[in-house]
Amino acid sequence: GDSVTQMEGPVTLSEEAFLTINCTYTATGYPSLFWYVQYPGEGLQLLLKATKADDKGSNKGFEATYRKETTSFHLEKGSVQVSDSAVYFCALSDRGSNYKLTFGKGTLLTVNP
Amino acid sequence: ETGVTQTPRHLVMGMTNKKSLKCEQHLGHNAMYWYKQSAKKPLELMFVYSLEERVENNSVPSRFSPECPNSSHLFLHLHTLQPEDSALYLCASSSPGGRQGDTQYFGPGTRLTVL
Repeated sequence: GDSVTQMEGPVTLSEEAFLTINCTYTATGYPSLFWYVQYPGEGLQLLLKATKADDKGSNKGFEATYRKETTSFHLEKGSVQVSDSAVYFCALSDRGSNYKLTFGKGTLLTVNP
Repeated sequence: ETGVTQTPRHLVMGMTNKKSLKCEQHLGHNAMYWYKQSAKKPLELMFVYSLEERVENNSVPSRFSPECPNSSHLFLHLHTLQPEDSALYLCASSSPGGRQGDTQYFGPGTRLTVL
């Protein structure tokens, strides 16, 4: 079946540091890949997505590239801010499973001033 | 209002109470979902409704009873819950087969505490 593995947290960075959160996946079909973000006390918000190999999703300074050869979708940001503190979830949607989302366990990011 | 809304945002109930969670989507989607998010556990998909028909029930106890009266509204009826049911309950919607078919949009969640 489908699965998503993302790096265990928590991750603690200083403001303006470089961020990478690793995500790898296993899927039976050709999935779409997502990063969702959950700020404290809120629901999940779509951060970015990519639907085919070599696509780069980007939003709010975050980027992730769909790498089919390594089955990866790592999240990166060049300079994090305190306001980026949140839990980040990697997810995939496989057409073969009627677009059900399979989530990773989430990575807590804390950015200190 | 836009997006996906959920009410109430917080709910405290005793084990013998009956309550309902409400979700409404304003995105014109035709599929709706209930998820449970517990501390230190992955997100759990509970129910999926597509075109108002339940298409998935992931072995959820019968004390949780979903209802989807139309494509914009989804309810989760709760009765005789257990303390371990305390969690954040998230609603989502999507439009499979549509332009953004595989993207789910989430509501803010209902924080449920069972005493």
